[in-house]
Amino acid sequence: AQKVTQAQTEISVVEKEDVTLDCVYETRDTTYYLFWYKQPPSGELVFLIRRNSFDEQNEISGRYSWNFQKSTSSFNFTITASQVVDSAVYFCALSADYKLSFGAGTTVTVRA
Amino acid sequence: EAGVAQSPRYKIIEKRQSVAFWCNPISGHATLYWYQQILGQGPKLLIQFQNNGVVDDSQLPKDRFSAERLKGVDSTLKIQPAKLEDSAVYLCASSLGAGSFTEAFFGQGTRLTVV
Repeated sequence: AQKVTQAQTEISVVEKEDVTLDCVYETRDTTYYLFWYKQPPSGELVFLIRRNSFDEQNEISGRYSWNFQKSTSSFNFTITASQVVDSAVYFCALSADYKLSFGAGTTVTVRA
Repeated sequence: EAGVAQSPRYKIIEKRQSVAFWCNPISGHATLYWYQQILGQGPKLLIQFQNNGVVDDSQLPKDRFSAERLKGVDSTLKIQPAKLEDSAVYLCASSLGAGSFTEAFFGQGTRLTVV
């Protein structure tokens, strides 16, 4: 069985603040992939980043960065210098054993 | 490249009626997913196809929901008869490969309201 937990339900910040979203996952598989998706008010889920279980190197892509720690089964996501357009629901997802499971999502509101 | 197409965008039906949703995945994508997203929750997988075969339908309420993938391309999801608790957004997604490594691309969804 696999499970994704996003403990934060809502986060509200002022523009230009950094936002860190937490994600904890469970899986028995040794090979798996982790994703972050964004769901703006329009409703379409948009793929943001992907990380495989063998690569714990943390990366930065533009204003996005992620921290993958296999020892604690965590895959946290940070938006640096947030903008109003970043307001959306963010989902962490786990792909293992050919199944893609999502967390409950974190609603991010960025105020001008 | 065209994205995942879904229709209709919105549907309102009365309980006990039937409804069908259509999905056209990205060309060449072997895997197709149907998810149910209830307001305020994350997407829940209903059924996953690999080409025209079912990989996982463990969370599909088979007494009322059915799905098929025609010739390994388009797919339809049907609910018959609908219940009030079926009110949700139904998302279709596709991915290139069968493995866990490829990201899924989502359509805009069909918002179903059962009254």
